Amino acid sequence: TQLLEQSPQFLSIQEGENLTVYCNSSSVFSSLQWYRQEPGEGPVLLVTVVTGGEVKKLKRLTFQFGDARKDSSLHITAAQPGDTGLYLCAGATVNSGYSTLTFGKGTMLLVSP
Amino acid sequence: ETGVTQSPTHLIKTRGQQVTLRCSSQSGHNTVSWYQQALGQGPQFIFQYYREEENGRGNFPPRFSGLQFPNYSSELNVNALELDDSALYLCASSPGLAGVAGELFFGEGSRLTVL
Repeated sequence: TQLLEQSPQFLSIQEGENLTVYCNSSSVFSSLQWYRQEPGEGPVLLVTVVTGGEVKKLKRLTFQFGDARKDSSLHITAAQPGDTGLYLCAGATVNSGYSTLTFGKGTMLLVSP
Repeated sequence: ETGVTQSPTHLIKTRGQQVTLRCSSQSGHNTVSWYQQALGQGPQFIFQYYREEENGRGNFPPRFSGLQFPNYSSELNVNALELDDSALYLCASSPGLAGVAGELFFGEGSRLTVL
């Protein structure tokens, strides 16, 4: 069974602070995705990383995929209250005829004004 | 706004009952997946349908079943409900062919409470 461990599970910070959340696995995935989920809503895709060592930036968010394609990190610069939400990483696996996402438990981020 | 809608948004059932949850995917999305998200957990893969046939299944018992229709709608059926079935059920559609891991477009989910 492939597992994705996310840390920390919960993070409460002040507006303007920087933070990093981590996603680690013992398995290799064909790609890794990060989603943000707000209360009462479904997850929304932020980014997909495919190549080992890949770095992608989305405004104040920086995503990195480990060289071995087993781990990833999300760094947020100057966090804002609008960044509050559950951040989920998901590893993609392609099987014979179908593909699935294995999700971590998520990091709940609370940014206070 | 992902273009994926689910109904009902909330419902309460009792143990042993049956439930049907519905999803309307984006037009042109031939693949639909269903996920179960228990409180404080990440979504867990239930099964996936491609062009009206189940082509992948997670670690869920047979009392979880589904249907996909030609009009891009789908259903998740759960029989003999148990207390542990209480969760948010998410439908996700994607335009890609089965076997290609791409972006999933999630609906807002159906919150099921089993008493």
